[in-house]
Amino acid sequence: GDSVTQMEGPVTLSEEAFLTINCTYTATGYPSLFWYVQYPGEGLQLLLKATKADDKGSNKGFEATYRKETTSFHLEKGSVQVSDSAVYFCALIGGGTSYGKLTFGQGTILTVHP
Amino acid sequence: NAGVTQTPKFRVLKTGQSMTLLCAQDMNHEYMYWYRQDPGMGLRLIHYSVGEGTTAKGEVPDGYNVSRLKKQNFLLGLESAAPSQTSVYFCASSYPPGQGREQYFGPGTRLTVT
Repeated sequence: GDSVTQMEGPVTLSEEAFLTINCTYTATGYPSLFWYVQYPGEGLQLLLKATKADDKGSNKGFEATYRKETTSFHLEKGSVQVSDSAVYFCALIGGGTSYGKLTFGQGTILTVHP
Repeated sequence: NAGVTQTPKFRVLKTGQSMTLLCAQDMNHEYMYWYRQDPGMGLRLIHYSVGEGTTAKGEVPDGYNVSRLKKQNFLLGLESAAPSQTSVYFCASSYPPGQGREQYFGPGTRLTVT
C-alpha cells in the first residue's frame, strides 16, 4: 500500500537558518503530494502541493519539488522564522485512490529559536 | 464562512462510556473524513463519506461508527470507549478528489479515555 516516510525529528534551528525536512514515498500510480502544517493547538493547513513529476510547490517561502525518480518531496526554506515553529506533515493521495484518502508521514516537529 | 468546525474541543470519558463527535462544514463539500492523530504516527483515516447518506470504513474503523444524515454534518460515535481511543480526532472535507484537490481540516477534538 501507499506509505510516506519523513525524517526523524524534532528539528531545532536558529532564526534565519536553512531548513530541509526529508520526505520519501511509496505509492501506486501517479500520486499527488502535499505538505501540511499544524501550528500549536490548531488543525492542519495545506502548505503546498504538487500533482505531477518535476512540479514545484511553493508558499510562504517554503518549496518542495516532486521527484519521481527518487520518490521524494523534500521541504525547504532558505531562512526560517520563529513563527515557522510547528509540526510539518508530508502526505500523498495515491493514484489508485478513488475517495481521496490522504496517507501521512509521522510528522516533524520544528522549533525555531530567536 | 466558518470552514470546518468540530465539537467538543476537549472531552474526558471513562472506559465504557459513549459519546458523539460532531463535524460541520459550510463549503458544500461532498466528501468528509474522520482521522485520528497519535504521537509519532501521523494521521490515520477512521471512516469517510462520499456524500449524504453514505459512509465507508478507512484504515482503523474498529470501535467507531459514523453517520452522514445531512451533507454538511459528519458524526463520529464511540459506543464503548476504551483507553486505546485516547487521541486527537480531526475531521476534514473536500470536493470530489481530483488532481491535488485539497482537504480542509477542523481544529480537532482531544479525547482522553481513563
